[in-house]
Amino acid sequence: NAGVMQNPRHLVRRRGQEARLRCSPMKGHSHVYWYRQLPEEGLKFMVYLQKENIIDESGMPKERFSAEFPKEGPSILRIQQVVRGDSAAYFCASSPQGGRRTEAFFGQGTRLTVV
Amino acid sequence: GQQVMQIPQYQHVQEGEDFTTYCNSSTTLSNIQWYKQRPGGHPVFLIQLVKSGEVKKQKRLTFQFGEAKKNSSLHITATQTTDVGTYFCAGSSGSQGAQKLVFGQGTRLTINP
Repeated sequence: NAGVMQNPRHLVRRRGQEARLRCSPMKGHSHVYWYRQLPEEGLKFMVYLQKENIIDESGMPKERFSAEFPKEGPSILRIQQVVRGDSAAYFCASSPQGGRRTEAFFGQGTRLTVV
Repeated sequence: GQQVMQIPQYQHVQEGEDFTTYCNSSTTLSNIQWYKQRPGGHPVFLIQLVKSGEVKKQKRLTFQFGEAKKNSSLHITATQTTDVGTYFCAGSSGSQGAQKLVFGQGTRLTINP
């Protein structure tokens, strides 16, 4: 079991470019969560998805950010027209179910740097 | 919205000393989870507490969940250099799954060998 796979591990983008972050959940997991971590801070919830559905996007900025989890393939977090403030570590977590008593398995994260 | 406060932000100890980090939520939680993150790494799940007043132990680590389910603590006895990292508590109070977690700011533990 390969665990939660995120790629790329590191991503550098110039201001105004697009960033695409990918997350493949653990085998058998159908629930994916994205978190953002700024330096020296905790993780901030962004979005919760199941296959082909966005369940909760209350933590997503209203503009430039979108997420999807298609029937086939990884979950994608897309940031359009990146700005310096988007520089952060983005972590994906997966679980086999969305119930209250399930631990989260985190990927190793994508560290986005906007220059 | 729900807030989770964690103190202290930093803690430096001599190897062998004890360490405690505290977590307080602005709302009653359905459960609380604890994670450890090494520098440059990703959060790794340590434990989940669900019941009011629950106490769980993992070797030198003791986790408590308050009676009101609004606070929690992690205590490490006789720290070792392998304990270095940032410890996060994360609470859930909603109905949409444990992973819509609200994280505390974390306590960064450094150890003098």
